[in-house]
Amino acid sequence: AQTVTQSQPEMSVQEAETVTLSCTYDTSESDYYLFWYKQPPSRQMILVIRQEAYKQQNATENRFSVNFQKAAKSFSLKISDSQLGDAAMYFCAYPTGTASKLTFGTGTRLQVTL
Amino acid sequence: DTEVTQTPKHLVMGMTNKKSLKCEQHMGHRAMYWYKQKAKKPPELMFVYSYEKLSINESVPSRFSPECPNSSLLNLHLHALQPEDSALYLCASSRSGPSSGNTIYFGEGSWLTVV
Repeated sequence: AQTVTQSQPEMSVQEAETVTLSCTYDTSESDYYLFWYKQPPSRQMILVIRQEAYKQQNATENRFSVNFQKAAKSFSLKISDSQLGDAAMYFCAYPTGTASKLTFGTGTRLQVTL
Repeated sequence: DTEVTQTPKHLVMGMTNKKSLKCEQHMGHRAMYWYKQKAKKPPELMFVYSYEKLSINESVPSRFSPECPNSSLLNLHLHALQPEDSALYLCASSRSGPSSGNTIYFGEGSWLTVV
């Protein structure tokens, strides 16, 4: 079965510090995409960053970057210079089954403290 | 415009009521989705429409009935729901499926409470 695992139910980081959220997945495919979504208290899911497995270079979007380890099937999200607005649930996601199905991990709740 | 608009934002309905959730996007996306999300859980896929045709039904009970009247609109008709159906219902759209790297854009959701 294709699965997505987030082993950290909750994380906390001080403002301006760096935090890394973990995600592992299982797949037999060689080329695929991975996604990190953020869900703040407003409940709207927002794409944070996307990684194509075919590309060796780790994706970066401003303060957000990934550490993609294809052989280890690991896709962690690093948030630098954390801000209060980063507080949210973060979901790792991977297309499983058919082309249109996006499966989410169980999520990591990130708290940002002063 | 990267908006997916859902109405109503909140809905309370009795177990014998019939109601509908509505979703609209004007991004020209041809894939539209309904997800269900319970508290402290990830979203779970319910239905996918691709080019206005139902392409995925994740074994959802028939008391949930999706409809895609045109490429911009997606409805979820609700009838004879149970209290355990109370959840956040998220509509989403994308240019095509996520396996091609396409971003799925989500609406803010409709909070449904069944009493």
